[in-house]
Amino acid sequence: GAVVSQHPSRVICKSGTSVKIECRSLDFQATTMFWYRQFPKQSLMLMATSNEGSKATYEQGVEKDKFLINHASLTLSTLTVTSAHPEDSSFYICSARVIAGGTDTQYFGPGTRLTVL
Amino acid sequence: KQEVTQIPAALSVPEGENLVLNCSFTDSAIYNLQWFRQDPGKGLTSLLLIQSSQREQTSGRLNASLDKSSGRSTLYIAASQPGDSATYLCAATGNQFYFGTGTSLTVIP
Repeated sequence: GAVVSQHPSRVICKSGTSVKIECRSLDFQATTMFWYRQFPKQSLMLMATSNEGSKATYEQGVEKDKFLINHASLTLSTLTVTSAHPEDSSFYICSARVIAGGTDTQYFGPGTRLTVL
Repeated sequence: KQEVTQIPAALSVPEGENLVLNCSFTDSAIYNLQWFRQDPGKGLTSLLLIQSSQREQTSGRLNASLDKSSGRSTLYIAASQPGDSATYLCAATGNQFYFGTGTSLTVIP
């Protein structure tokens, strides 16, 4: 099946720094990717929809200037957490949408655990 | 490696019926078990999260149960409605997410 990778899998950074997380579709092209985050003991929440070649669509309550999303190619979307603070510590997961053969499917990456000190 | 299976892959029921979706996982060492809804072209919507220490969670017409020892979870939908038509995914979470392949539900008016 289709594989989605994320890099890094874990990152620890100091408060105030920026962190970039990559989401790659390894053997297929994805015009749409989704970014989610999950705080401890809470549900996974959709943050934004990333569309190749256009601006991302953010869910209500998600700051677009803090969570920069770039989807410059059909196999790569990046999420940059700018000026990270401890409250941004979370588990970030991406997915890639594939429409083929009459089906509409998402393939999920393994996630990135961000810890801001 | 954790493997998550959902049965059935597809389900079609008349409006008003109660139904059960099944999810099984191979490794009982999980943090949470989550159920999601996926509408075509949309991201996931979280429905219910059951922590490993819990047995069930309820939200409206939805009830999810968890039996870690047997590696099973069920999602019960009461009095189904056409608006419930979607794909339902379960995910076992440890150090990462392990998603099932989903159950495509169609509720016929």
